[in-house]
Amino acid sequence: QQPVQSPQAVILREGEDAVINCSSSKALYSVHWYRQKHGEAPVFLMILLKGGEQKGHEKISASFNEKKQQSSLYLTASQLSYSGTYFCGMTTDSWGKLQFGAGTQVVVTP
Amino acid sequence: DTGVSQDPRHKITKRGQNVTFRCDPISEHNRLYWYRQTLGQGPEFLTYFQNEAQLEKSRLLSDRFSAERPKGSFSTLEIQRTEQGDSAMYLCASSLVAGLNTGELFFGEGSRLTVL
Repeated sequence: QQPVQSPQAVILREGEDAVINCSSSKALYSVHWYRQKHGEAPVFLMILLKGGEQKGHEKISASFNEKKQQSSLYLTASQLSYSGTYFCGMTTDSWGKLQFGAGTQVVVTP
Repeated sequence: DTGVSQDPRHKITKRGQNVTFRCDPISEHNRLYWYRQTLGQGPEFLTYFQNEAQLEKSRLLSDRFSAERPKGSFSTLEIQRTEQGDSAMYLCASSLVAGLNTGELFFGEGSRLTVL
């Protein structure tokens, strides 16, 4: 039931791009993306509702393909501040619980 | 500060003792979650409330774990007869769920439990 994230980790140089994928075996209603820095609580990035929309937050954007039950997070022209662990969370309906994937550790180096 | 607050931030206990954690959500939020997180893992769902109603408790959770949210405000998570495997960070999060929108979660700083 837990969303499956890939890759587990990625190392980037500043300015490079990366894609993080998240998939579910169940039909989805919404996808959440959060970032957690070491020793801190997860922080919200964005929500995508079913309908295949794409959202963006500065140079971080995401897509949601409800037919494939997948979402992808795009880190474009990465900055040092993008380092952290990214989690996707998924719900199967508007009132359902939010379950998280195991996370993708992103390290951006100078 | 109007964020989510958790207390205590750290708890060290001996195996077999009971512990209780408290979470004060953002005041207007109707949804409250408890998650458990261990090093290198994502937040593991434990239970959640809509106002004062407990909607679901993880089937992986033993009967030693219980949670309440009286009057739909603060929440407590109690672990009875603690075991070393209970050592983890316990995260509380709240959100405002309205209509068709699943609100973003605001997390507290967490309560770190160490069972000796």
